[in-house]
Amino acid sequence: DIVMTQSPDSLAVSLGERATINCKSSQSILYRPNNVNYLAWYQQRPGQPPELLISEASTRKSGVPDRFNGSGSGTDFSLTISSLRAEDVAVYFCQQCRFTPYTFGQGTKLEIK
Amino acid sequence: QVLLQESGPGRVKPSETLSLTCAVSGGSISSHYWHWIRQPPGKGLEWIGDVYYSGRSNTNPSLQGRVTISPDTSKNQFSLRLISVTAADTAVYYCARQVDHDPFDIWGRGTMVIVSS
Repeated sequence: DIVMTQSPDSLAVSLGERATINCKSSQSILYRPNNVNYLAWYQQRPGQPPELLISEASTRKSGVPDRFNGSGSGTDFSLTISSLRAEDVAVYFCQQCRFTPYTFGQGTKLEIK
Repeated sequence: QVLLQESGPGRVKPSETLSLTCAVSGGSISSHYWHWIRQPPGKGLEWIGDVYYSGRSNTNPSLQGRVTISPDTSKNQFSLRLISVTAADTAVYYCARQVDHDPFDIWGRGTMVIVSS
């Protein structure tokens, strides 16, 4: 199985500041024939199901604010929130959908400092 | 707008079978892939498996053959069956949709299942 490891486990950032969450996969999730990294980011607010933010490592889902940006390739990926807002408090998960069993990172809890 | 709704008993006894259903509205299950994912209280997400409307399915080997996922096109829903449950199977169970190789773009609200005698 591909192991997805996020860092840090928790993060406290001031409103308006930048937050960066990292995700590393135990093997490459780049599909070379189409040059697509099958890496997704989800946001999970308390008591809610996860919501898809980003697919293919860097493509925002329609309606997701442009302060959310994904980057990376191969085995190393990042999610950056450029200017933190109160409604961004949540747990964030990365997921690889390149190989089954699909696997998730352990989650990063983002709080306001 | 496609909506997913999980249903099933909230409590199952150890060694018994957990059965859940995911009803799909606003769209047909006769396309795309349909998944089950679970989340133990306070923990992360675990992919359980998926099914295509034809009945072809994949399940997580970590569940050691205890899982069956089936479509019911006549009712536009799909189901999860997990046998020989233990306390470790206590979790919120989510159903979700996947289009091609994309990630899970639509999720149900989840249903909590507690394994306890």
